Amino acid sequence: KNEVEQSPQNLTAQEGEFITINCSYSVGISALHWLQQHPGGGIVSLFMLSSGKKKHGRLIATINIQEKHSSLHITASHPRDSAVYICAAVFGNEKLTFGTGTRLTIIP
Amino acid sequence: KAGVTQTPRYLIKTRGQQVTLSCSPISGHRSVSWYQQTPGQGLQFLFEYFSETQRNKGNFPGRFSGRQFSNSRSEMNVSTLELGDSALYLCASSFGESDTQYFGPGTRLTVL
Repeated sequence: KNEVEQSPQNLTAQEGEFITINCSYSVGISALHWLQQHPGGGIVSLFMLSSGKKKHGRLIATINIQEKHSSLHITASHPRDSAVYICAAVFGNEKLTFGTGTRLTIIP
Repeated sequence: KAGVTQTPRYLIKTRGQQVTLSCSPISGHRSVSWYQQTPGQGLQFLFEYFSETQRNKGNFPGRFSGRQFSNSRSEMNVSTLELGDSALYLCASSFGESDTQYFGPGTRLTVL
């Protein structure tokens, strides 16, 4: 069964802290997406990766194909990073399957 | 470049009615996908269209249907609405089938 699990469900941290959100999946995938959703519903695609590591500003996404695991890191976190972060995997059937999301709150 | 637009943004319907939601992709994008987001089930994939052809369909009943036009605009239709269809419906477009998706703001449907 194609499943995607995220942890933690909720994360509260102080401004400036290093943040890690984890995503694991059940079987092989062709790609993994990290999405950010702000209050009000708007979703922004942060990364799409199938191997290795990608970096954009203070955000870093890594994926380990053998361990079926991906992480999203935020360095020097800021209150504007507060959002729900969602990972989504593209399994063999090419349908995006989503994790349940991690609600991140950064306190000034 | 204009982003993905969805209309209407908010919609209230009653049980048994039908609804049509519209999505205009980013200019040049040929792939449009639709998703449903509810508090209980989270985000779920509905359909994907590429060049007017449905490439993939999620596990939703036949009451949910969609189509894509030659200008890549897409519509989804839900017939015989049920209370459980209340959700945020999101569409996303991409240039190709495996490219980064850009999401629209969503249509929030409330079924009374």
